[in-house]
Parts: sequence; structure tokens; C-alpha cells
Amino acid sequence: SQQGEEDPQALSIQEGENATMNCSYKTSINNLQWYRQNSGRGLVHLILIRSNEREKHSGRLRVTLDTSKKSSSLLITASRAADTASYFCATLNTGTASKLTFGTGTRLQVTL
Amino acid sequence: DTGVSQDPRHKITKRGQNVTFRCDPISEHNRLYWYRQTLGQGPEFLTYFQNEAQLEKSRLLSDRFSAERPKGSFSTLEIQRTEQGDSAMYLCASETGIQETQYFGPGTRLLVL
Repeated sequence: SQQGEEDPQALSIQEGENATMNCSYKTSINNLQWYRQNSGRGLVHLILIRSNEREKHSGRLRVTLDTSKKSSSLLITASRAADTASYFCATLNTGTASKLTFGTGTRLQVTL
Repeated sequence: DTGVSQDPRHKITKRGQNVTFRCDPISEHNRLYWYRQTLGQGPEFLTYFQNEAQLEKSRLLSDRFSAERPKGSFSTLEIQRTEQGDSAMYLCASETGIQETQYFGPGTRLLVL
């Protein structure tokens, strides 16, 4: 079953703008990971944030985690057409070994 | 290429046939996972291995599904008597085993006619 939801389900922006995606989950976690998926392809790992971290950066990506609200956000700055993809958050839930529980994804479209 | 590989990339089969997929994880990754993804949804966990031991199976994995990792290296996922509802992308991932990043393969897209 899906852990929670990403919001929005779809997002369309112009190149150069920032894109923000939110993820909510339901149970306590060890870490939260964000993945990108281009149409019909495998998942590419973007960033991992642990439950004791609040913010993390990687290049143009900024991830925040609020465990009290059970939510995370992914910010992509200065977006490019190549960022067009679906973005998924996945949680490693406490007490569930190492299987990831994915959200429903946000489909990002970056236009020129 | 040292990433996770999967074979075949696409499979079309008729209902009732058996299919087998292969996954080659990143070398020295102890843990290997199988997920299934249907259109418009996020991946859902099916099963995982620690070396050659299958440690957990999802309720999604009916009796028609079987997975093996005989020598703790590559893994196979077999679906017997396929049904149209089995049509999905089957994703494999591997991990070093320390609750870190899972690296995914390109997936096998199955279409059951």
C-alpha cells in the first residue's frame, strides 16, 4: 500500500522557476528518500534525509523534513527542461526492515 | 556499467503463460529488492533478499509469484499462469545492507494480453 501522498499531483512551470513538491507520510520513519523517474524508466535516487535531520542540500535540490508533521518537501531551484519527470518520496519506516514505502508521485513538467 | 541491470526490459505474453525476469544487482550489495509499479502509482514492495535468504514477502506476492537469489548474486522473479492484472513495471533494487540508498534498475515492463 502507498505510504501517503505527494502534493501537488502535477506541476507545470517554466524553465528557470523553482519547483516545490510536498510529501506526507503516516508512520514513524528512519529516513526519507526522493527519487526521480523519467517516463517509463527506472528510478534515480536524488537525496536521502534521516529522521534526525531537518534540511539537506544537493546541487539544485533542497529537502526539508518535519517529523512532527510527518511531511517533507523537495525544492528544485532554477529548473530545466531536463527536470521534467515524476518525483516520488519514499520512506524507510521504523520496524519494517529496509523496504521502501512510496508515495503516489508528483509529475513535473518544465517548459521552455 | 556498474549499476543494477534487469532483463528483459520488455515482455509481452499471453494470459496463462509463465514469465521469468532477471535482476543483477550492484556488485557486493547484500540486499536485493523487488517492487511492482502500475501506471500512475508509486512502486510497491514485493519481496527482498539478504544475500541468498528471502527475508520478507508482501501480501501482493501471491502463490503464482516466486523469487530466488540462489548464490546471493543475481535474482529471478517468476510469475506463473499470468493474469492481465499482472501487467506492470517490475523494478529491482539493491543496497549495501545498512539502511542506505536503494539503487534501482531500469525495470521490466510486462504486458499480459
